[in-house]
Amino acid sequence: DGGITQSPKYLFRKEGQNVTLSCEQNLNHDAMYWYRQDPGQGLRLIYYSQIVNDFQKGDIAEGYSVSREKKESFPLTVTSAQKNPTAFYLCASSPQGRDTEAFFGQGTRLTVV
Amino acid sequence: SQQGEEDPQALSIQEGENATMNCSYKTSINNLQWYRQNSGRGLVHLILIRSNEREKHSGRLRVTLDTSKKSSSLLITASRAADTASYFCANPVNFNKFYFGSGTKLNVKP
Repeated sequence: DGGITQSPKYLFRKEGQNVTLSCEQNLNHDAMYWYRQDPGQGLRLIYYSQIVNDFQKGDIAEGYSVSREKKESFPLTVTSAQKNPTAFYLCASSPQGRDTEAFFGQGTRLTVV
Repeated sequence: SQQGEEDPQALSIQEGENATMNCSYKTSINNLQWYRQNSGRGLVHLILIRSNEREKHSGRLRVTLDTSKKSSSLLITASRAADTASYFCANPVNFNKFYFGSGTKLNVKP
């Protein structure tokens, strides 16, 4: 089955720790994205990548880092510099070009304990 | 911010009624898209309307677009309890950098 897989579904982190969220897609999409969603809120763009080995900051990149070493994978690291990391994180991908849609994973809920 | 905004923030209707939600956006667009999110899940694409289109249908969904007002509306006809979800509009910038609004939370009561 083609799609986007995020893991884990739930993640708990102690304050001061870095944690990495996984996102893998087998849709052969060039572009991948990370969004953060807070309760009852919309999606805010953290980072996006339109091609392997290249990525750009979104609106709220501070305290986060990413890599894009393979087309299929776009992991997100939430660093200790992110002051309020508890949120729902969504990964998405899309083909390049006009009139394309975004395909989403099922999300990772990160809680700082 | 380049995000669109949905209105209303929340909508509660009875099963069988129609649900209308609106989206306003700030930038020029190539297309505008609507997505659905069930609680605690990822978003699912519903429908895309191009900037040169004024209306589009897909099953019980009808989307309109008014580029002069930078607004779009999503109509769900004959709502069902299973339509309960949050609905978001998205306007891709530079073809595929997606910005989403804050969503309309729809509750359809059986």
